[in-house]
Amino acid sequence: GAVVSQHPSRVICKSGTSVKIECRSLDFQATTMFWYRQFPKQSLMLMATSNEGSKATYEQGVEKDKFLINHASLTLSTLTVTSAHPEDSSFYICSARDRSKPYEQYFGPGTRLTVT
Amino acid sequence: KQEVTQIPAALSVPEGENLVLNCSFTDSAIYNLQWFRQDPGKGLTSLLLIQSSQREQTSGRLNASLDKSSGRSTLYIAASQPGDSATYLCAVNSGGYNKLIFGAGTRLAVHP
Repeated sequence: GAVVSQHPSRVICKSGTSVKIECRSLDFQATTMFWYRQFPKQSLMLMATSNEGSKATYEQGVEKDKFLINHASLTLSTLTVTSAHPEDSSFYICSARDRSKPYEQYFGPGTRLTVT
Repeated sequence: KQEVTQIPAALSVPEGENLVLNCSFTDSAIYNLQWFRQDPGKGLTSLLLIQSSQREQTSGRLNASLDKSSGRSTLYIAASQPGDSATYLCAVNSGGYNKLIFGAGTRLAVHP
């Protein structure tokens, strides 16, 4: 149980285009999902907290107009990187909190974004 | 502001050794602390979660301890195996709402 999927696992796009990453909780309901980014050999940095049916809360320094987050259902959150640039190339990981187990987060496998 | 530090940054050991990975945090007011494993290019696998009221948790060859007052946690790996090679991340939940603050990780290599 408690499986989180991400799609796509890898994506390469050209500078200036937008990319959408999906995060799904497969066997539980997630009222809250989190989006992290991870640069090579660095730790995870929280970008934003996504609550179902409401606006996401962004961490300081994260541009909300560049990283659009939508959490339209209890099992799906999406992150759209708009007008991507090479510096946006990173590993993006989502996690989801099971509403029945509020102290635990379950992580997706990550999405490797490369902007050329 | 909560900060999490992990020592050592990297560790290379022969198979069979018992290991201790260290994690320290600056604000002792935490809800829980979690240890994760991350394989290269992959997501995170939760290993152990210790609630603030607990002192330790065990799972198989892994044992994690928590000393809130001193802001420290250790992950003990017994009889290490090559399959244990990965990056181990410590994360603290101190702000409620499950907002995790991660350390930079310890990259472990266990060689046969």
